[in-house]
Order: sequence, then structure tokens, then C-alpha cells
Amino acid sequence: QQQVKQSPQSLIVQKGGISIINCAYENTAFDYFPWYQQFPGKGPALLIAIRPDVSEKKEGRFTISFNKSAKQFSLHIMDSQPGDSATYFCAAKAGNNRKLIWGLGTSLAVNP
Amino acid sequence: DVKVTQSSRYLVKRTGEKVFLECVQDMDHENMFWYRQDPGLGLRLIYFSYDVKMKEKGDIPEGYSVSREKKERFSLILESASTNQTSMYLCASRSTSGGSISSYNEQFFGPGTRLTVL
Repeated sequence: QQQVKQSPQSLIVQKGGISIINCAYENTAFDYFPWYQQFPGKGPALLIAIRPDVSEKKEGRFTISFNKSAKQFSLHIMDSQPGDSATYFCAAKAGNNRKLIWGLGTSLAVNP
Repeated sequence: DVKVTQSSRYLVKRTGEKVFLECVQDMDHENMFWYRQDPGLGLRLIYFSYDVKMKEKGDIPEGYSVSREKKERFSLILESASTNQTSMYLCASRSTSGGSISSYNEQFFGPGTRLTVL
């Protein structure tokens, strides 16, 4: 049972375009939603995170949009660059739980 | 900067061997995690440790054990390696304190160990 469903599995975007990755969850106790970025040969690294008390968080070209009623959150990458080519994971955590619940990942390729 | 190091980047072992994967973090983090990453299956939690000598099973603990004798070191043990344990293994650590939501929730990952069991 996948508690955090991520789509699409893979994505190809042209340089300068907008990349959008979506995640959906069921557990209303989740209160922390991070996105991790993983380059080939590296471990994942935190990119940006949001709490459900805000609907959007922006850091540079990366934006998380959060829809609490729909139980969905998404990552938008504006002006996508070839250097953004990586695997992106969404995740969620509830309260003081030590574990993150991970999506299955999205492989993003940005063509020059 | 937080640094999480893993003992090997690549490892090749034979079926039935006992395999030790070592992970060391230098930021005095309380929590440490072992994941395996397989194509299409994302990151699956094997075990985690919330403090020295404390451990808890993750989602796929079968065939694995762990050891955490010192705060900075977390070892994953494959008691008798099998071909279905061929995978990328990732270690992570997390602090339980901090001033922002990300500082105490962020998991810091090592570069991974690609294990092949023949």
C-alpha cells in the first residue's frame, strides 16, 4: 500500500519549460511534506519542504503547491535547466514520527 | 556541513557471505536510517536507530540486521547475502533538534553503496 502516490514516473521537459511533479496522500495526520532531489551517483538531498498551514512555498525556481482539501502537493520547477535533471522524491511525515513515507520518485530529464 | 560517509561505494559479494555496510555521520545526530533503492521501488526503509543501541524495524527488515554501538556509526549486516539483496544501499541521519521544520526533519544521506551479490 503506497501511502504517498507520486506521478509521473518520468518526465521530459525542454530547457526553459516548467516541470511539474505531483503527489497525493491519504493520511490526514501528515504535517510535513518535503521534496528531495537525487543526482546520479549521489544520495538524495532536501530541496524544499512545506507544512500544511501554507498553500505555497517558493525557493528560487522551485515551488511547492499544497492543497490540503484535495490531499495533494506538487513541485513546480520554473525555467527548467539541464542541471535540474535528477530524480525527485516527495515524502510525508506525521507529527513526531521518525520515519518519512516516500513516493516512488520521478526521473526528470531537461533537454538542452 | 553535515557529512554522512559510507564505507564502500561499490561492493561485490558471493551468495551466502556475511556482509557489513558501515555508515558514519559527523553531526551528532540521534537518528540514523538504512534504506535500499531499487528502480521503480523508490526508497524502502530497512531499519532505523533512534539512539545508541536502539533500533526499530522498517518496512523490509527480513534478511538484515543492524548495530549501533556508538552514536556516529550505524552498521547494516546481511547475515547470508542473497542475489535478491543486490541493490543500492543508502544511509541517512537526522537530528531531533533544531529551530525550523526542516532542520529537525531533514534526513542527510550518504552517497550510497552499490552492492552486487553473485
